[in-house]
Amino acid sequence: AQTVTQSQPEMSVQEAETVTLSCTYDTSENNYYLFWYKQPPSRQMILVIRQEAYKQQNATENRFSVNFQKAAKSFSLKISDSQLGDTAMYFCAFMHYNAGNMLTFGGGTRLMVKP
Amino acid sequence: EPEVTQTPSHQVTQMGQEVILRCVPISNHLYFYWYRQILGQKVEFLVSFYNNEISEKSEIFDDQFSVERPDGSNFTLKIRSTKLEDSAMYFCATSIYLTDTQYFGPGTRLTVL
Repeated sequence: AQTVTQSQPEMSVQEAETVTLSCTYDTSENNYYLFWYKQPPSRQMILVIRQEAYKQQNATENRFSVNFQKAAKSFSLKISDSQLGDTAMYFCAFMHYNAGNMLTFGGGTRLMVKP
Repeated sequence: EPEVTQTPSHQVTQMGQEVILRCVPISNHLYFYWYRQILGQKVEFLVSFYNNEISEKSEIFDDQFSVERPDGSNFTLKIRSTKLEDSAMYFCATSIYLTDTQYFGPGTRLTVL
């Protein structure tokens, strides 16, 4: 079974600065997908970024980018130019290519962006 | 931009009662999922559904749970006899293809008294 670990329960960053959230996972599979989801106080789950394991290039979406280290099974999220609206819980998630599409989530990191 | 919608936003029920949570998927999506999140805990997979059949289910999804797509639009999760420990946020998610990104609805907060 796959496991996803987020070792930072809480983090804070000053507005406009950069922060990196960590995620590691454990799997014996070779084909899989990794995601970061954001959950603001409204509790809706919002996709931030997606990475396919077969792609060597790190995914980027505007201010959000990942550092995907397949050999190390590490998938960190970097948020540049942090904004107050980035305050939320961030969940890392794993999906195996052929396992019913189920997402396995990490425990989450609560990020507070301070003015 | 199309969104997944869920109703109700909050459901309060007595232990032992049946509840039905409803989801309207994004119109061209073919794969449907339910997840739950007990307060303060991680999001957990319950079930995936495709072509009117369950594709995968977790250990949580026991005989008390069922899913269906009764009218081709709504996707429902039924809990037959609710327990206190069923209190959680229930999220519906949908995707176009098997390995496509899953888009989540806003969730239904279920409170069992």
